[in-house]
Amino acid sequence: GQQVMQIPQYQHVQEGEDFTTYCNSSTTLSNIQWYKQRPGGHPVFLIQLVKSGEVKKQKRLTFQFGEAKKNSSLHITATQTTDVGTYFCAGHGAGGSYIPTFGRGTSLIVHP
Amino acid sequence: EAGVAQSPRYKIIEKRQSVAFWCNPISGHATLYWYQQILGQGPKLLIQFQNNGVVDDSQLPKDRFSAERLKGVDSTLKIQPAKLEDSAVYLCASSLGPPWDEQYFGPGTRLTVT
Repeated sequence: GQQVMQIPQYQHVQEGEDFTTYCNSSTTLSNIQWYKQRPGGHPVFLIQLVKSGEVKKQKRLTFQFGEAKKNSSLHITATQTTDVGTYFCAGHGAGGSYIPTFGRGTSLIVHP
Repeated sequence: EAGVAQSPRYKIIEKRQSVAFWCNPISGHATLYWYQQILGQGPKLLIQFQNNGVVDDSQLPKDRFSAERLKGVDSTLKIQPAKLEDSAVYLCASSLGPPWDEQYFGPGTRLTVT
């Protein structure tokens, strides 16, 4: 079945440093979604990418979808303490699959 | 707009007991999901409904787990009998239209099986 891997599992940064998490699928995806889960909270939708090579920005966050639609990345510029949380990617397989597969997530710890 | 509601928020039971969770999705959302999230892992889809029909339940341990969504609105997830490895947060989510729409998650139910 479809597998979605995320690296790194944890990332410690000093406030102001940049952060990147990577998501890799074993199969081609029709789309990829990113979610953020604060400690003790529930996942909150950030963005969805659909097109090959797509890049979207939300303030300090930049999301990319690979040309082959098998990988994606989330980059945060100049992290802030409010960025703390676990970032998950979730992909739907190509061919009209309805099943979303989540990665294990990357936990971001920001030190002031 | 009210979010996804879940109850209870916390539940502690002994192994072999049964437990049920309830979810009320955002009004008008056709697709409803139940996920199991074990500590340190991503959400794992258990079952997915579109209106009151099952879209996918391939990862639902059907010997002990069951779920229903009567009238295409709220839903219940039941475990009977519970095992120690069922300790997790059970998340309900809903989306407006097709299953690949953005999902809105409820606060979850934290289940501890002793």
